[in-house]
Amino acid sequence: DTGVSQNPRHKITKRGQNVTFRCDPISEHNRLYWYRQTLGQGPEFLTYFQNEAQLEKSRLLSDRFSAERPKGSFSTLEIQRTEQGDSAMYLCASSRDSYEQYFGPGTRLTVT
Amino acid sequence: QKEVEQDPGPLSVPEGAIVSLNCTYSNSAFQYFMWYRQYSRKGPELLMYTYSSGNKEDGRFTAQVDKSSKYISLFIRDSQPSDSATYLCAMSAGTASKLTFGTGTRLQVTL
Repeated sequence: DTGVSQNPRHKITKRGQNVTFRCDPISEHNRLYWYRQTLGQGPEFLTYFQNEAQLEKSRLLSDRFSAERPKGSFSTLEIQRTEQGDSAMYLCASSRDSYEQYFGPGTRLTVT
Repeated sequence: QKEVEQDPGPLSVPEGAIVSLNCTYSNSAFQYFMWYRQYSRKGPELLMYTYSSGNKEDGRFTAQVDKSSKYISLFIRDSQPSDSATYLCAMSAGTASKLTFGTGTRLQVTL
């Protein structure tokens, strides 16, 4: 397994712009999770996919956020009309029919 | 009050010391418990995972879960400078459930 990969690793954007992040899970992992982590805090759950179905969304996921996982492989997380409060590390994790979740390196978003 | 409480530290210990890291939780539904290590500006790395109560050992690391007290611990023996990182506890109620994390404890192992 090559591990979970995320791109880009760092994104700087101006307030009001749209951004999209990509996550490629470990091969054959059917579950994929998105989390957000701010400085000095643990990751907070955003949303969860089993194969291509989005099964759970956090209240943290406002209408400006949307996530997809077409064909049950990679996933994208889009943030529309970014705000300064969206600045954080966005983490993706995957698992295969178990409770152990393996994280990627994260995408650090800075909104100026 | 947060579902998972963890002392943020920082915790500074000399090389070779035994380190004890702890979390308490309030949600009785949690059954799966994990410890992650996170280096600065990196993603969390899964260190240990356990189901329900009991102990689990892996090399220098031992994880303990006491569900009756809602208390989990991670012990690191013979600590090394390379162990310097933030340690996050995480837990979930089911195999497909989201993880709920503590805030993380920053550990510094000094020479």
